[in-house]
Amino acid sequence: AQRVTQPEKLLSVFKGAPVELKCNYSYSGSPELFWYVQYSRQRLQLLLRHISRESIKGFTADLNKGETSFHLKKPFAQEEDSAMYYCALRDAGNTPLVFGKGTRLSVIA
Amino acid sequence: EAQVTQNPRYLITVTGKKLTVTCSQNMNHEYMSWYRQDPGLGLRQIYYSMNVEVTDKGDVPEGYKVSRKEKRNFPLILESPSPNQTSLYFCASSLSYRGTEAFFGQGTRLTVV
Repeated sequence: AQRVTQPEKLLSVFKGAPVELKCNYSYSGSPELFWYVQYSRQRLQLLLRHISRESIKGFTADLNKGETSFHLKKPFAQEEDSAMYYCALRDAGNTPLVFGKGTRLSVIA
Repeated sequence: EAQVTQNPRYLITVTGKKLTVTCSQNMNHEYMSWYRQDPGLGLRQIYYSMNVEVTDKGDVPEGYKVSRKEKRNFPLILESPSPNQTSLYFCASSLSYRGTEAFFGQGTRLTVV
């Protein structure tokens, strides 16, 4: 069965410090990985997906199949990055997303 | 505007009183899902639907029902709500093919007293 693990419930960093939100997954096939973000009192929205290999709002994430990880990184955290972040996986078949439990990022001024 | 719309946004109800939370999307998406979000537990899938008249249980289906009579609508039904169903609920929809993102509704905060 697919599984997504985000080991940190809460991550606090100072403004300007690097950020890494961890995500590990268990899936034997070729998954799609996503990061979703939820700002205070807003709906979840897609931040980035591994297929696109893009950088959004300064965030990047690289799929490491050997370590089965998809960590989210940003070199310099900003206060507006404070939010709840969810890692999500979707397998190659017709199945919906499976989410991790989320990590709350708090950026301290 | 492409969107997923949930109603109501907030609901306080009493134990045992049947309720329905509606979800509608205007993007012609095949997939629709319901999640509940609880502190420390993240997002847990309740039910999902891969197309009209096709629904399946997620991780926490007990106490909930869904239907998918039309492609755009996916209501969540609580026949006899209980206090442990107090939660924040999200509906999501997406296309069925690889690489597509899920779009979420704005959430429904349900309190069962």
